[in-house]
Amino acid sequence: QQPVQSPQAVILREGEDAVINCSSSKALYSVHWYRQKHGEAPVFLMILLKGGEQKGHDKISASFNEKKQQSSLYLTASQLSYSGTYFCGTHTGGSNYKLTFGKGTLLTVNP
Amino acid sequence: NAGVTQTPKFRVLKTGQSMTLLCAQDMNHEYMYWYRQDPGMGLRLIHYSVGEGTTAKGEVPDGYNVSRLKKQNFLLGLESAAPSQTSVYFCASRGRPDYNEQFFGPGTRLTVL
Repeated sequence: QQPVQSPQAVILREGEDAVINCSSSKALYSVHWYRQKHGEAPVFLMILLKGGEQKGHDKISASFNEKKQQSSLYLTASQLSYSGTYFCGTHTGGSNYKLTFGKGTLLTVNP
Repeated sequence: NAGVTQTPKFRVLKTGQSMTLLCAQDMNHEYMYWYRQDPGMGLRLIHYSVGEGTTAKGEVPDGYNVSRLKKQNFLLGLESAAPSQTSVYFCASRGRPDYNEQFFGPGTRLTVL
């Protein structure tokens, strides 16, 4: 079952902040975040693991609430280059090596 | 180091025709994946492989077959294309351990008329 992302779309002015949420109905082992620009492939941003370990981008932060089965991506002081569609991918652990992606959040940053 | 490459980039098929999409990676990754992306639906997993000679079904496997005869290649086949298979197809690969990122190929845009 796909995780649910919110909001579906957000429009910002340069310098503003945004939060993108990802919620799952299943217990999570890890959450992955990717950004996709129009016509391009998704690009890795961050991985958050059960237990608090993170791996990823220096300028983007995220949180992972294991109890609530939720993750949030924080984009601060947004730049024009942040525009794109953001996807969370959830991994339920065990021998399951696959990610289930949400439908995405379209972020538009205007000058 | 090319990363993940996909062939072809674009293709137009008629209903009932068959084709094979090729994904190649040069990072010695164990895991490979095929996704389809449709507007508003995100990335949906078609099939995946956890190693050479192994494949498994994802969320939307119907109408597709895959093979992984060599570790670096993952092939996606459409035996009898249908208009519902019009989509952008992405291949991805990942190395061990589980917390490593997935690397995506540039995508193949397929139109079935």
